Amino acid sequence: DGGITQSPKYLFRKEGQNVTLSCEQNLNHDAMYWYRQDPGQGLRLIYYSQIVNDFQKGDIAEGYSVSREKKESFPLTVTSAQKNPTAFYLCASTPGQADQPQHFGDGTRLSIL
Amino acid sequence: EDQVTQSPEALRLQEGESSSLNCSYTVSGLRGLFWYRQDPGKGPEFLFTLYSAGEEKEKERLKATLTKKESFLHITAPKPEDSATYLCAVRVTGANSKLTFGKGITLSVRP
Repeated sequence: DGGITQSPKYLFRKEGQNVTLSCEQNLNHDAMYWYRQDPGQGLRLIYYSQIVNDFQKGDIAEGYSVSREKKESFPLTVTSAQKNPTAFYLCASTPGQADQPQHFGDGTRLSIL
Repeated sequence: EDQVTQSPEALRLQEGESSSLNCSYTVSGLRGLFWYRQDPGKGPEFLFTLYSAGEEKEKERLKATLTKKESFLHITAPKPEDSATYLCAVRVTGANSKLTFGKGITLSVRP
């Protein structure tokens, strides 16, 4: 079955620690996205990538970093510079045609220890 | 600045009681409006895409409509399994494939 796999489902971060969230897709989609979702807020775009080896900052990129070395994978690192990392993180992808809907994984919930 | 506003924030319905969810938008140029359903602890599930005013799409008890300023998601004779958060998002011209989301509407349907 084609889809987007995010792991882990739950993640805990200690003070000063960097953590990496995994996102893998087998849909052969060109574009991938990372969003952050907080209670009572809409999804906010962190980073996105439209092709391999290229990515752009979204609306709230500070304290986060990404890489796109393979078409299937778009990992997100939450660095120690992100002072309020507790949130639900969602990864999405879409085919190269810009008018197609984004499809989402089932998210990673990150909490502070 | 592109904005998407959904109302009401929360809606409680009795099973079988039809209603509508609203998504109003202010954008420079609309390339598409998307509706998603999100269950607790899950990622959003795609429902509909609407591209131009006057367009309508239907799926089971759901019907989405679009005008130049807003979209409605009509729910006919809802069932408890329709309980979820419904998200609206827009894609604007010149924004590549980026989406701007509203805050969502939490729907509860009582048996």
